Amino acid sequence: DAKTTQPPSMDCAEGRAANLPCNHSTISGNEYVYWYRQIHSQGPQYIIHGLKNNETNEMASLIITEDRKSSTLILPHATLRDTAVYYCIVRVVHTGNQFYFGTGTSLTVIP
Amino acid sequence: ETGVTQSPTHLIKTRGQQVTLRCSSQSGHNTVSWYQQALGQGPQFIFQYYREEENGRGNFPPRFSGLQFPNYSSELNVNALELDDSALYLCASNRDASNTGELFFGEGSRLTVL
Repeated sequence: DAKTTQPPSMDCAEGRAANLPCNHSTISGNEYVYWYRQIHSQGPQYIIHGLKNNETNEMASLIITEDRKSSTLILPHATLRDTAVYYCIVRVVHTGNQFYFGTGTSLTVIP
Repeated sequence: ETGVTQSPTHLIKTRGQQVTLRCSSQSGHNTVSWYQQALGQGPQFIFQYYREEENGRGNFPPRFSGLQFPNYSSELNVNALELDDSALYLCASNRDASNTGELFFGEGSRLTVL
């Protein structure tokens, strides 16, 4: 699976949009982009995933560049409960449950 | 709540001992994966079980072993514990090993090896 690069930490004001970038310049054509987050002392939580089209669900939006070498996770209205470590992962679907999490981005939402 | 439960939540062992961690997967999920998360690091894949058989393994030595039972619950066993085995051990389940990849994680078992 391709590896990803994320900033180690970010801050965001409560109520504002949080935009978390991820670089995956070596992504292959059959690799999806996944985002998970981990709130302190809890297990990781699935947020969203996509292949090449932008995706939106009740938690977030995923914007993937046309060349698929980078993506951005958008939390439209960040709350204090969104403070967590966010992991960007690329992997081939249908290859079991082996995910390479890396070290992620620690997002702090500031009141 | 993900419906995945793990036990025990915390435990302390000494070097050389053996430990068994348990996981009950979400109803209807037949695939279980185990991850190890050291302090300050992301989770690392240990292995996964599908229909009671191991069908994927990460870069972990054979002293890490597991079982999956007919009800899809699972155990992680670690023999000859080392100090570096101190970590949060996470269990994750999903419906099928070939699905879209949305994993449901438990809260983890925190193991301390002294």
